[in-house]
Amino acid sequence: EVQLVESGGGSVQPGGSLRLSCAASGFTFRSYWMQWVRQAPGKGLVWVSRINSDGSTTSYADSVKGRFTIFRDNAKKTQYLQMNSLSAEDTAVYYCAAGLGHAFDMWGQGTMVTVSA
Amino acid sequence: QTVVTQEPSFSVSPGGTVTFTCGLSSGSVSTDYYPSWYQQTPGQTPRTLMYNTNTRSSGVPDRFSGSILGNKAALTVTGAQADDECDYYCVLYLGSGIWVFGGGTKLTVL
Repeated sequence: EVQLVESGGGSVQPGGSLRLSCAASGFTFRSYWMQWVRQAPGKGLVWVSRINSDGSTTSYADSVKGRFTIFRDNAKKTQYLQMNSLSAEDTAVYYCAAGLGHAFDMWGQGTMVTVSA
Repeated sequence: QTVVTQEPSFSVSPGGTVTFTCGLSSGSVSTDYYPSWYQQTPGQTPRTLMYNTNTRSSGVPDRFSGSILGNKAALTVTGAQADDECDYYCVLYLGSGIWVFGGGTKLTVL
């Protein structure tokens, strides 16, 4: 069974940091691009970041560039999102997604990040 | 900044047909943008419906079809059912590892 399981969400004060993890199983992780997509409460989906299959290439939405870092460990079948300098605008459910091409083929259940004083 | 446009909402009668569109604030959508479509019930994980313009994801019924209509990507749902009532999102690949989601379309079946 294909699974993507996010963890690491929680509450943090503005300016703080969090690291999200996404553990994969049931598919050949090392072959897939991995992505992060977020959804603020009551709002739509927003693409955040992507990393290619071997981790050599990353990309970010302008809203998180310079603050967030995506990376992966293919041996552990896990991808990560290091989030620094968090603000209230980063409050959202963060979804992990995986794809072979230019789509989001598989999704995790999401982990909630709340940035509040 | 590139904005991907979707209709905010649609209403369809049970058994009817509805077509959602996915456009660009500047320019035309083509297959080069690899349009894909996702279905989401509030509070649930998104479900992949369509990718590469018109390829259905595994398990998606053929009531759902994708295309390019004019200068936009389109998702057509025929024979609408009550459980089709949810939010629909498109996403376009802009190149250089960048994707942008549309704002989503809320479908009501009544």
